[in-house]
Amino acid sequence: KNEVEQSPQNLTAQEGEFITINCSYSVGISALHWLQQHPGGGIVSLFMLSSGKKKHGRLIATINIQEKHSSLHITASHPRDSAVYICAVKGTGNQFYFGTGTSLTVIP
Amino acid sequence: NAGVMQNPRHLVRRRGQEARLRCSPMKGHSHVYWYRQLPEEGLKFMVYLQKENIIDESGMPKERFSAEFPKEGPSILRIQQVVRGDSAAYFCASSLGGYYNSPLHFGNGTRLTVT
Repeated sequence: KNEVEQSPQNLTAQEGEFITINCSYSVGISALHWLQQHPGGGIVSLFMLSSGKKKHGRLIATINIQEKHSSLHITASHPRDSAVYICAVKGTGNQFYFGTGTSLTVIP
Repeated sequence: NAGVMQNPRHLVRRRGQEARLRCSPMKGHSHVYWYRQLPEEGLKFMVYLQKENIIDESGMPKERFSAEFPKEGPSILRIQQVVRGDSAAYFCASSLGGYYNSPLHFGNGTRLTVT
């Protein structure tokens, strides 16, 4: 079993829809990262959070430490949001675990 | 551009050759991480380095792979005697603080193809 599980694996949405990507983890963590990997392959760090909620533009990330769960929300989705979204957690040691990613396609 | 720079962007090697991948971290960052992404798979941690030190190499294959981050110059991931299974995208990230408690900044990756 992976330490980090994401759902869904694949997601197709119409432009303008509200999107939620979920991440559950089974280890104790000190930080959780959301990453975005574009079709060209580059990776961008979207958020790092250890509690509560963060917002950046149309992106919102939340984390519930007790439930070991995080969500990434995209409001008013746009085709340029099409990418793979990856959840990664830092364990309480020095380990870093990646989810397998959620492939998002936003259709105009 | 003060971002994480990786080069080359694409690298083709024949089986048995050596591959050298370079990563220059963001200015001021002394923590470097290397990851590998095999085709159709997620990112996998390889090694975490600080200047002149390997902090965690638990994700590195025991043979043929090595990494360094010298006092001066970029971090180098070296793969000796490459095999077809080494074909992957190799990403480097850097951070200001260590152990993933600071935001990560990624390079664009080096895509290694072994023929």
